[in-house]
Amino acid sequence: AQKITQTQPGMFVQEKEAVTLDCTYDTSDPSYGLFWYKQPSSGEMIFLIYQGSYDQQNATEGRYSLNFQKARKSANLVISASQLGDSAMYFCAMREAFGGGNTGKLIFGQGTTLQVKP
Amino acid sequence: DGGITQSPKYLFRKEGQNVTLSCEQNLNHDAMYWYRQDPGQGLRLIYYSQIVNDFQKGDIAEGYSVSREKKESFPLTVTSAQKNPTAFYLCASSIRSTDSNQPQHFGDGTRLSIL
Repeated sequence: AQKITQTQPGMFVQEKEAVTLDCTYDTSDPSYGLFWYKQPSSGEMIFLIYQGSYDQQNATEGRYSLNFQKARKSANLVISASQLGDSAMYFCAMREAFGGGNTGKLIFGQGTTLQVKP
Repeated sequence: DGGITQSPKYLFRKEGQNVTLSCEQNLNHDAMYWYRQDPGQGLRLIYYSQIVNDFQKGDIAEGYSVSREKKESFPLTVTSAQKNPTAFYLCASSIRSTDSNQPQHFGDGTRLSIL
């Protein structure tokens, strides 16, 4: 069965420092996508970054980068130069390609709460 | 602006009552999804629809029903059979569910509580 594991329930980081949020996944499908979402206290889910299973390079989007280690089945999110507005819950999610019994749904981890200290 | 609109933002349900959560999108997305989130937890899939007039059960469909009569709309009904409906409900859409590289875009959610 497909699974996403986020082992850090909560993290603290000093403003302007970098932080890494861990994510490991399990799937037997060779084609899949990995996503990170940010959920502020207001509740909306904000898409941050995507990494495809066949991508050779790590994805980057502004201050967000994804440290993709396929052999280890890990997809850690790195936030550089943390800002107070980065305080939120962060979810790692995986999406399998549709077909062969797969529904193409997103499978979410339990989330990591990040607090940025001034 | 294109996006997903969920309403109402807050909803209260009485015992034995069915309530319907609205989800509308103007992104021209084919696929739509409903998720439930309990406090401090990740999201769990309730129902999804890949195309108009078609929908499939997700992981926790019992006590819920949906319809997809229009591409833009995917309402979720929480029936009286759902004994623990208090949660945060999120609607999402994506271009095509067959593409694993397409992100799902979310609405702002509806918080449902029991009176």
